[in-house]
Amino acid sequence: EVQLVESGGGLVQPGGSLRLSCAASGFTFSSYWMSWVRQAPGKGLEWVANIHQDGSDKYYVDSVKGRFTISRDNAKNSLYLQMNSLRAEDTAVYYCARPRVPYSSSAAFDSWGQGTLVTVSS
Amino acid sequence: SYELTQPPSVSVSPGQTARITCSGNALQQYAYWYQQKPGQAPVLVIYKDSERPSGIPERFSGSSSGTTVTLTISGVQAEDEADYYCQSTDSSGTYVFGTGTKVTVL
Repeated sequence: EVQLVESGGGLVQPGGSLRLSCAASGFTFSSYWMSWVRQAPGKGLEWVANIHQDGSDKYYVDSVKGRFTISRDNAKNSLYLQMNSLRAEDTAVYYCARPRVPYSSSAAFDSWGQGTLVTVSS
Repeated sequence: SYELTQPPSVSVSPGQTARITCSGNALQQYAYWYQQKPGQAPVLVIYKDSERPSGIPERFSGSSSGTTVTLTISGVQAEDEADYYCQSTDSSGTYVFGTGTKVTVL
């Protein structure tokens, strides 16, 4: 069974930093692009970033470029999101998500974690 | 910028048909649809415009025409009340989600 478990969320002041983790199991992690998706309270879904299966390619939504860094450790079956210079508008539940097809950067997400809440507030 | 526009809300009586549209400037790639209930992660209900993952009821179907894709829920049930999001990829290959539609079962 595919499992994605996020952790690392919490309350942080504006301008602060936070590192999210996603522990993956039940599939060959090193064969999949992986993504982070967020959802602000009462708002819609927003794709944030994704990373190639070997970490060589990374893409970001414009609003987080230069502030967020996606990374992965295939030996630990883990995905990360380093978030710096956080703003109030970054407040959201952050999900990690896996495409339904290996080696694909554009397939639909068939597996999601339960999400971790990040709150940016003073 | 690339945008996918959905109606904010759709209301339907049980047993009737709900149709949710998703329109985008250059919807040239496949579209996907997700169902999200309060406090839960999204669930994929349609991929590649019209394919249904295993475990998704047959009453969920998808179609595509030009720059508009449509999710149809036939014979709506109370359990189908949820938010629905379309998704595709833009010209640079990165993902974009639609604005979301709240389906209310009357």
